Amino acid sequence: EAQVTQNPRYLITVTGKKLTVTCSQNMNHEYMSWYRQDPGLGLRQIYYSMNVEVTDKGDVPEGYKVSRKEKRNFPLILESPSPNQTSLYFCASSTGRDNSPLHFGNGTRLTVT
Amino acid sequence: AQKITQTQPGMFVQEKEAVTLDCTYDTSDPSYGLFWYKQPSSGEMIFLIYQGSYDQQNATEGRYSLNFQKARKSANLVISASQLGDSAMYFCAMGLSFNNNDMRFGAGTRLTVKP
Repeated sequence: EAQVTQNPRYLITVTGKKLTVTCSQNMNHEYMSWYRQDPGLGLRQIYYSMNVEVTDKGDVPEGYKVSRKEKRNFPLILESPSPNQTSLYFCASSTGRDNSPLHFGNGTRLTVT
Repeated sequence: AQKITQTQPGMFVQEKEAVTLDCTYDTSDPSYGLFWYKQPSSGEMIFLIYQGSYDQQNATEGRYSLNFQKARKSANLVISASQLGDSAMYFCAMGLSFNNNDMRFGAGTRLTVKP
């Protein structure tokens, strides 16, 4: 089954404790991205990657890191999480070509206390 | 820079009736695509429908249709014959054709279908 897999689904952590949210897609998509969803703000792009070893900042990259060492994986790293990073996070992928919709993972709800 | 605006935080509709969810956009690029996604209470994001800026006809997918008015920069989603399962958040999004990867989302509209 074609899918984007995110883990974990839920995560509660404390301020400053490094964490990684994993994302993997099995559709051979070149493009992958991370979004955060906050009430009233919709989805805002954190980082995206056009291909292996190619990443770029989105609208809200501060406090986040990403890497794209393999085509299928695009982990999101929070080196020192803070409470304002409490949010619902989505990983997404697409072919990157015209008309191609994003395929989303099921989301990771992160709480930083 | 692109911008997407959804002005209806919440909408109610009676079961079996049609409902229109508004979406306006702003871009100076002539080539772009407009998308609608549904997010049920379970949280996943589901792609519903797509409209390209050069498409002559409004897109349709089953009970979903997109009322595309290019001059007014609007791309409203019309859901016909609403069902209880249509209750969800709906997001409008836009991507530029030369860089469809830079997709921008509106704030969303929460639709509630009443029995």
